[in-house]
Amino acid sequence: GAVVSQHPSWVICKSGTSVKIECRSLDFQATTMFWYRQFPKQSLMLMATSNEGSKATYEQGVEKDKFLINHASLTLSTLTVTSAHPEDSSFYICSAPGGWAGESDTQYFGPGTRLTVL
Amino acid sequence: GQNIDQPTEMTATEGAIVQINCTYQTSGFNGLFWYQQHAGEAPTFLSYNVLDGLEEKGRFSSFLSRSKGYSYLLLKELQMKDSASYLCAVSDSWGKLQFGAGTQVVVTP
Repeated sequence: GAVVSQHPSWVICKSGTSVKIECRSLDFQATTMFWYRQFPKQSLMLMATSNEGSKATYEQGVEKDKFLINHASLTLSTLTVTSAHPEDSSFYICSAPGGWAGESDTQYFGPGTRLTVL
Repeated sequence: GQNIDQPTEMTATEGAIVQINCTYQTSGFNGLFWYQQHAGEAPTFLSYNVLDGLEEKGRFSSFLSRSKGYSYLLLKELQMKDSASYLCAVSDSWGKLQFGAGTQVVVTP
């Protein structure tokens, strides 16, 4: 199956700083990627859809100025958490659809990034 | 919007069979996914159903009834490593996934 990577796998930062998380599709191109957030013992919540060459679309309740998304190329999307606060501490996961013939409806997830804001 | 319901937790013994049910109400439907997620890790793909019926993949099978808004994931010959959270997710017309809260499966010796 297709491979999606994320970097960093974990990060600890001080309150008020910004953190950038990268999501890469390693062996396929992804015009669309999705960003999720997962709090402990809860399910994944879709934050936004990252679109290559155009603006991201955000889910209701997600602040676009706080969670900046840039889909710089067909294999890279970045999520920047600006002015991070302790309540932003969470597990952030990206996904990309398909990649292989016959699997275009499958979404593959990156390994996730654990963000802890002190 | 979409509403997806699945049980919170299920317990079964090693070697047994467990069936995880998922019901959904959606404004658009482009398939239903099942994912396995171990604690602290990202979800891994298990199955995808877009047509009614049963899809079998080794020890795991998934069933879909679109008219009933219902799916189940069947885990056979349970192993200890199957202890994990199982997520039901529905894809809308734009490929966005809406996840259920997940079912924690606990496999006991």
